[in-house]
Amino acid sequence: EAEVAQSPRYKITEKSQAVAFWCDPISGHATLYWYRQILGQGPELLVQFQDESVVDDSQLPKDRFSAERLKGVDSTLKIQPAELGDSAMYLCASSLGLAGETQYFGPGTRLLVL
Amino acid sequence: QKEVEQDPGPLSVPEGAIVSLNCTYSNSAFQYFMWYRQYSRKGPELLMYTYSSGNKEDGRFTAQVDKSSKYISLFIRDSQPSDSATYLCAMSPGANAGKSTFGDGTTLTVKP
Repeated sequence: EAEVAQSPRYKITEKSQAVAFWCDPISGHATLYWYRQILGQGPELLVQFQDESVVDDSQLPKDRFSAERLKGVDSTLKIQPAELGDSAMYLCASSLGLAGETQYFGPGTRLLVL
Repeated sequence: QKEVEQDPGPLSVPEGAIVSLNCTYSNSAFQYFMWYRQYSRKGPELLMYTYSSGNKEDGRFTAQVDKSSKYISLFIRDSQPSDSATYLCAMSPGANAGKSTFGDGTTLTVKP
């Protein structure tokens, strides 16, 4: 069964350092999402792509976060510089399209900022 | 106040019990209602997807939506230890899943 791949699974970094997360969606899925999930809370959308275009990045802290999906397939989420409050699970999800399609989540990257 | 409030739990039940998981919401624009299951150290997995009010059944799982009360529930019959996970409700005004608002989850433990 096809799955969303994410790497790394765990990342420990010091504040002010740069970190990057990678996501490979299910083949053929045009829509890709990045979420942040703080321990004990539900996921919150950071950015949504349709192919290589950003559909929604209204909740992305653009002073330190950036996301790209250059060829409309895999995607990278970057944080620079990392802050203590960025410690969370970063989840990637994909779906066939925008409307009414099931989202499939990857296993996530757990980030700890020291 | 959050748009979506979920019973915080944790919830512990014996194997075979009927489990009820609940969420309330304040945004009357929500039309699509989802339940996700999240095992420890994994991403959420969609369990149930419902449009508007009514009931939907899938095996041991039943989702109920009462839009007049702004209340949704997930029932699990004959609960199994493998059902032990965190359950997240989510809802959105339209079919774009990216517009979903999630609850904070209820952690369920089913004891053998």
